[in-house]
Amino acid sequence: DAGVIQSPRHEVTEMGQEVTLRCKPISGHDYLFWYRQTMMRGLELLIYFNNNVPIDDSGMPEDRFSAKMPNASFSTLKIQPSEPRDSAVYFCASSPRVKDGNTIYFGEGSWLTVV
Amino acid sequence: AQSVAQPEDQVNVAEGNPLTVKCTYSVSGNPYLFWYVQYPNRGLQFLLKYITGDNLVKGSYGFEAEFNKSQTSFHLKKPSALVSDSALYFCAVRDASTGFQKLVFGTGTRLLVSP
Repeated sequence: DAGVIQSPRHEVTEMGQEVTLRCKPISGHDYLFWYRQTMMRGLELLIYFNNNVPIDDSGMPEDRFSAKMPNASFSTLKIQPSEPRDSAVYFCASSPRVKDGNTIYFGEGSWLTVV
Repeated sequence: AQSVAQPEDQVNVAEGNPLTVKCTYSVSGNPYLFWYVQYPNRGLQFLLKYITGDNLVKGSYGFEAEFNKSQTSFHLKKPSALVSDSALYFCAVRDASTGFQKLVFGTGTRLLVSP
């Protein structure tokens, strides 16, 4: 199994530009999560999907952030326009049905720097 | 709301000595508890989890953790530390209040094993 695949691994962009982060979850997993990691705030859950439907987006910082999951094998997290404070590591993760205590598996992360 | 506390920012231990990384949790109902490890510039890797059953859980790389309901703790342990264990360790919890869907992380503990 290839695991959760994220792209790009590293991105440096200028303030005001649009950023799109991509994720391919593990095949067969029903849940997909987007997390953000910063020194100041640690690991924050931004949004998660169940069967491609967004369930809870209360962690999305503001309207500049949006996430989609058009099918079971692909999700995007978009920031438009980007700001320097968005610089962080963004992790995508996936899991089988969660009520059985299944593990959530993480990708290697997308390291975003906004200058 | 569910929460996790990792009281130590850093734990220092000499190679060959036992190590403990502390974690306490606060949930409503029974928790699912997890430990993850993060190596530099990498994603989070699953180490072990407690769902139900035996309070002592064994995981990857010789790590184990003990679930203590009365003390609401889930400390990570290893009998003999290796230099290669040096990394950032996260405790996480899911509980029934969110249908076990949300995984909430502690702030992380940096483990430094000296030769």
